[in-house]
Amino acid sequence: KAGVTQTPRYLIKTRGQQVTLSCSPISGHRSVSWYQQTPGQGLQFLFEYFSETQRNKGNFPGRFSGRQFSNSRSEMNVSTLELGDSALYLCASSLGRGGEQFFGPGTRLTVL
Amino acid sequence: AQSVTQPDIHITVSEGASLELRCNYSYGATPYLFWYVQSPGQGLQLLLKYFSGDTLVQGIKGFEAEFKRSQSSFNLRKPSVHWSDAAEYFCAVVVQNFVFGPGTRLSVLP
Repeated sequence: KAGVTQTPRYLIKTRGQQVTLSCSPISGHRSVSWYQQTPGQGLQFLFEYFSETQRNKGNFPGRFSGRQFSNSRSEMNVSTLELGDSALYLCASSLGRGGEQFFGPGTRLTVL
Repeated sequence: AQSVTQPDIHITVSEGASLELRCNYSYGATPYLFWYVQSPGQGLQLLLKYFSGDTLVQGIKGFEAEFKRSQSSFNLRKPSVHWSDAAEYFCAVVVQNFVFGPGTRLSVLP
């Protein structure tokens, strides 16, 4: 069974631009969660989607948004990028709430 | 709000030595508990999990963890560390969503 895939793996953007990251969960998994990982703040929960509905949201500004498609693939979007948005963005999928999460390799975003 | 603490930011052990990584959580009930490992530049891999039942759980790569309700702890152990165990280790609890601890970076001396 293929694991969680994230594209792109690396991304360089400049301040003020927007970016879209993609996540394909493990087949059969309907829950997708997104995390931001930085050296200073550690792993922080962004949001969770289940069956195309946002089920939970972390404490991030509205510039961070996401969506999930009917095939469970998910995208997250960050608008008006700031330098502090530079981070590793991790996606994880699971069968449902509270279950084991399987992580993708992450997308490394650098904002210049 | 629930929180997870990992008191040790960085631990260095010699190859072959035993290892214990500490994890404490703050939550009224017993949450689901997890340990994940992250190698540099990689995503997280699940080592083991505790939902209920036997408080000593076995995981992959020779790791085990013990849940102690009275101490709100879920410490990770390994009897003999290998050089390939050098990585960052995260404890996590789940209530509505995953809450991760700050991580403990493990270095292994040859």
